[in-house]
Amino acid sequence: EDQVTQSPEALRLQEGESSSLNCSYTVSGLRGLFWYRQDPGKGPEFLFTLYSAGEEKEKERLKATLTKKESFLHITAPKPEDSATYLCAVQAGDSNYQLIWGAGTKLIIKP
Amino acid sequence: KAGVTQTPRYLIKTRGQQVTLSCSPISGHRSVSWYQQTPGQGLQFLFEYFSETQRNKGNFPGRFSGRQFSNSRSEMNVSTLELGDSALYLCASSLGTSGRGHEQYFGPGTRLTVT
Repeated sequence: EDQVTQSPEALRLQEGESSSLNCSYTVSGLRGLFWYRQDPGKGPEFLFTLYSAGEEKEKERLKATLTKKESFLHITAPKPEDSATYLCAVQAGDSNYQLIWGAGTKLIIKP
Repeated sequence: KAGVTQTPRYLIKTRGQQVTLSCSPISGHRSVSWYQQTPGQGLQFLFEYFSETQRNKGNFPGRFSGRQFSNSRSEMNVSTLELGDSALYLCASSLGTSGRGHEQYFGPGTRLTVT
């Protein structure tokens, strides 16, 4: 069964303290892996798409990487405004285009 | 390019009533997906429409239904509202075509409160 698991559920960091969020997946034939950021009460905001193992994408303090089993979202020197829930989703080859979503990681950056 | 729009943004209904939510996708996007999100819950997939046809359906009761029009705009309807239907309803659009995966872009959501 296709599955996406994110860890940790929640992460508290001091401003400037770098860390990584994990998204592990078990799917048949990866079509794409997507990272989103969601602020409370708002719709998720698209961050990155990764298609194949070894691929990396960067945006400001965020860097997403992909292996055959998992993806990492690295946050370098985070600021309080990076506080949000980060969601990972996967589109599998046999999923009829439906996305499979992880439960998210709630990130809190303390000043 | 205009983003995904959803109307209304906030809605208060009484148990037993029905409600219709609307979503206008990004121009050129043919796929519209609907999600329910409640506090502490992840995104719960409701259904997806592509070119006016329901392509995927989540595990929700038949009280939840939707449709898509020829201009890709979509509506979802919830009949006989229950207190547990109170949630943020999100609409997302994507190109939806075959090949590489296409990211979904979300609207701001409709906050539904059932009293």
